[in-house]
Amino acid sequence: QQPVQSPQAVILREGEDAVINCSSSKALYSVHWYRQKHGEAPVFLMILLKGGEQKGHEKISASFNEKKQQSSLYLTASQLSYSGTYFCGTRDNYGQNFVFGPGTRLSVLP
Amino acid sequence: GAVVSQHPSRVICKSGTSVKIECRSLDFQATTMFWYRQFPKQSLMLMATSNEGSKATYEQGVEKDKFLINHASLTLSTLTVTSAHPEDSSFYICSATRGGPTDTQYFGPGTRLTVL
Repeated sequence: QQPVQSPQAVILREGEDAVINCSSSKALYSVHWYRQKHGEAPVFLMILLKGGEQKGHEKISASFNEKKQQSSLYLTASQLSYSGTYFCGTRDNYGQNFVFGPGTRLSVLP
Repeated sequence: GAVVSQHPSRVICKSGTSVKIECRSLDFQATTMFWYRQFPKQSLMLMATSNEGSKATYEQGVEKDKFLINHASLTLSTLTVTSAHPEDSSFYICSATRGGPTDTQYFGPGTRLTVL
């Protein structure tokens, strides 16, 4: 079953912060985050593993709450280059299913 | 470093033919490679994970006999779409890691397949 992402779309001004959430109805082993610009292949951002952790990648970080079966991606002081569609992908605890969320479209305006 | 290429970038074929897509890591050895597909304006789908020298692990619902994956060397993986049909038309993307499947993935630019 596909994880739910929220919001579906968000518009920011350069320098503003954003949070993108990814929720699953299943117990998760891992959560992956990607960004994709229109017409291009995705870019891998990070992976968070079971056990609950946080990770940082420049001004982009993420948390994984295993008990709540959800992950959040934090974008701070957004830059124009952050525009794109953000996808989360989740692997369930049985390791049998890897499913992507529908994506969150982020637009950063000058 | 960490460049991944795909060939071809675009391919058009007739229904019933087979198409091979290559994924190469140009400046590193790729222990693990992934294959994805994406339909227009839709989300991504992971098709399979492959490790050099072993059989690929396919995700649920992906037909192994239709999408043949070979990871014969540490720099090359191939995806062959056998007996392609119009519904196989899609954007196929590969990625590679230096280490295991939880390492940083480096994506190729993708291959756009159109089956007539």
